[in-house]
Amino acid sequence: GEDVEQSLFLSVREGDSSVINCTYTDSSSTYLYWYKQEPGAGLQLLTYIFSNMDMKQDQRLTVLLNKKDKHLSLRIADTQTGDSAIYFCAESIGPGGYQKVTFGTGTKLQVIP
Amino acid sequence: DGGITQSPKYLFRKEGQNVTLSCEQNLNHDAMYWYRQDPGQGLRLIYYSQIVNDFQKGDIAEGYSVSREKKESFPLTVTSAQKNPTAFYLCASRPIQGVNVLTFGAGSRLTVL
Repeated sequence: GEDVEQSLFLSVREGDSSVINCTYTDSSSTYLYWYKQEPGAGLQLLTYIFSNMDMKQDQRLTVLLNKKDKHLSLRIADTQTGDSAIYFCAESIGPGGYQKVTFGTGTKLQVIP
Repeated sequence: DGGITQSPKYLFRKEGQNVTLSCEQNLNHDAMYWYRQDPGQGLRLIYYSQIVNDFQKGDIAEGYSVSREKKESFPLTVTSAQKNPTAFYLCASRPIQGVNVLTFGAGSRLTVL
């Protein structure tokens, strides 16, 4: 079955790097995602990685995927107060058009000025 | 601009009443989803639909119903059978082809009095 787990809370100082971790259980995942949610709002896609990739970098964001351990991480370099939000890891499972997206519990990132 | 519109943003209802949450998208996306968000539990899938007139139950469908009569619209009814309906409800959509990235609406917060 599918299950996605994250720690609930992370606190970092402004300017430091943040690393948010996620583990998943379904090895048939096709894509893995990181979404960001600001208070009272919907989710917005930050980045995604295809399951046959190990790493993806996009400006301050670095995604690392360890398929053997089913571990996904998001590193935010030079963390800013505007990065304070809830970050969700998600995986996409299933064939073709009937893919199901499963989300983790979310990690609340607090950036201390 | 293309996007997903959820309404109402805030909704209050009395116990025993059914309520319908609206979700409309003009992105020409085939698939649409409803998620429920509770603090510390992340997003849980209620229902999803890949094409018009077809939908599947997610992980927590009991007490909810949906319809998909038009491609653009995927309303969710929270029935009186839902034991704990107070939550934040998120609608999302995605194209069938290409990367399986969800676009989210801004959410609807339902409070049962």
